[in-house]
Amino acid sequence: DVQMTQSPSSVSASIGDSVTITCRASQDVSSWLVWYQHKPGKAPKVLIYAASTLQSGVPSRFSGSGSGTEFTLTISSLQPEDFATYYCQQAVVFPITFGQGTRLEIK
Amino acid sequence: QITLKESGPTLVKPTQTLTLTCSFSGFSLFTTGVGVGWIRQPPGKALEWLALIYWDDEIRYNPSLRSRLTITKDTSRNQVVLTMTNVDPVDTATYFCAHRMTTTKAFVDWGQGTLVTVSS
Repeated sequence: DVQMTQSPSSVSASIGDSVTITCRASQDVSSWLVWYQHKPGKAPKVLIYAASTLQSGVPSRFSGSGSGTEFTLTISSLQPEDFATYYCQQAVVFPITFGQGTRLEIK
Repeated sequence: QITLKESGPTLVKPTQTLTLTCSFSGFSLFTTGVGVGWIRQPPGKALEWLALIYWDDEIRYNPSLRSRLTITKDTSRNQVVLTMTNVDPVDTATYFCAHRMTTTKAFVDWGQGTLVTVSS
């Protein structure tokens, strides 16, 4: 299985800050990397697919980059609604695997 | 507008079989490239992919659960059913179904999830 490792596991930030989350894959997944935002009691929401393509309707303050085994999700100018847990997921090899999640908390 | 909704029991006893139904609208499993998957999240833990079924009847399972899972589709009724045999308290989780496109390989639309507790 492809292991997906996110860092940090949690991060505290203030409104207006910029935050970067890293996701590392245990083997090359090319650009088949997806980022999700998940809030308690809600359905997860896709933010970015193919490592850097913004899903329709997602604010442009979210951006993704990377390929191969290392990927980043950057959220610039944090808004109150951005405080949530973020997951990466590799989409190229079965079984589909997710990272352990990064909890973004308000400082 | 795409919607998905999971339904099934909220409480199941150990060793029983769990059957969950995903009812969806706004897309069709007749359409090339469409898939529906199941993902779960135990309390306080990360997301875990379980199974996936495609428009062309291709099926994929998480090998760690393969012997206990069956996924089927009723294309005309816009439903996908997941059965899990011999459940255990560790299977307590919120179970989500989600719409996947082969073009993006992302789960682009999700249901709200249904919490299933396994307890005697």
